Amino acid sequence: AQSVTQLDSQVPVFEEAPVELRCNYSSSVSVYLFWYVQYPNQGLQLLLKYLSGSTLVKGINGFEAEFNKSQTSFHLRKPSVHISDTAEYFCAVRTVGGSYIPTFGRGTSLIVHP
Amino acid sequence: DAGVIQSPRHEVTEMGQEVTLRCKPISGHNSLFWYRQTMMRGLELLIYFNNNVPIDDSGMPEDRFSAKMPNASFSTLKIQPSEPRDSAVYFCASSTGQQETQYFGPGTRLLVL
Repeated sequence: AQSVTQLDSQVPVFEEAPVELRCNYSSSVSVYLFWYVQYPNQGLQLLLKYLSGSTLVKGINGFEAEFNKSQTSFHLRKPSVHISDTAEYFCAVRTVGGSYIPTFGRGTSLIVHP
Repeated sequence: DAGVIQSPRHEVTEMGQEVTLRCKPISGHNSLFWYRQTMMRGLELLIYFNNNVPIDDSGMPEDRFSAKMPNASFSTLKIQPSEPRDSAVYFCASSTGQQETQYFGPGTRLLVL
């Protein structure tokens, strides 16, 4: 079985500062990795995903993530955040060739201050 | 496409009443998921359907919860009888395959008094 750990429950940051949201996973087989964002009172929507190939994945709204197999990590980064990036961010993993059911982390609340 | 549609968006009911939540997945998607989100427990998978068949219902809390998918374009999640601890936001999501994105609906915010 796979698991996901989001190390920070809350990350406060000032506008225009860089941010990194951490995600580590555990799996005995190859995985697909996803980052989702949830704005207040909305459902989750995909930011980016890693399936194979280049380990640096670019997503919407200027976010990117890097898959590091040796460290079993998939950290999300943005070089300069905006107030509008304030939201809950979820990391998720699915095993390759396994169930269609993803495992989600507990989420990280990104709070951008002016 | 209109995306995943859920109704109602908000539901307030009294303990003991039956509650039915509805979901219309994106056309062509063959996987459907029901989730529950609370502050205490985060995002929990309740049940997963593939091609209208329930594949994994291990997350359904107890017999008070039931879910159906009579056809590819409609699913329901029913709670009978409802209890205050069922208060949460319930999400429906659909997708087309293992590599694919899950598309979430806007959720139903349920409050059981």
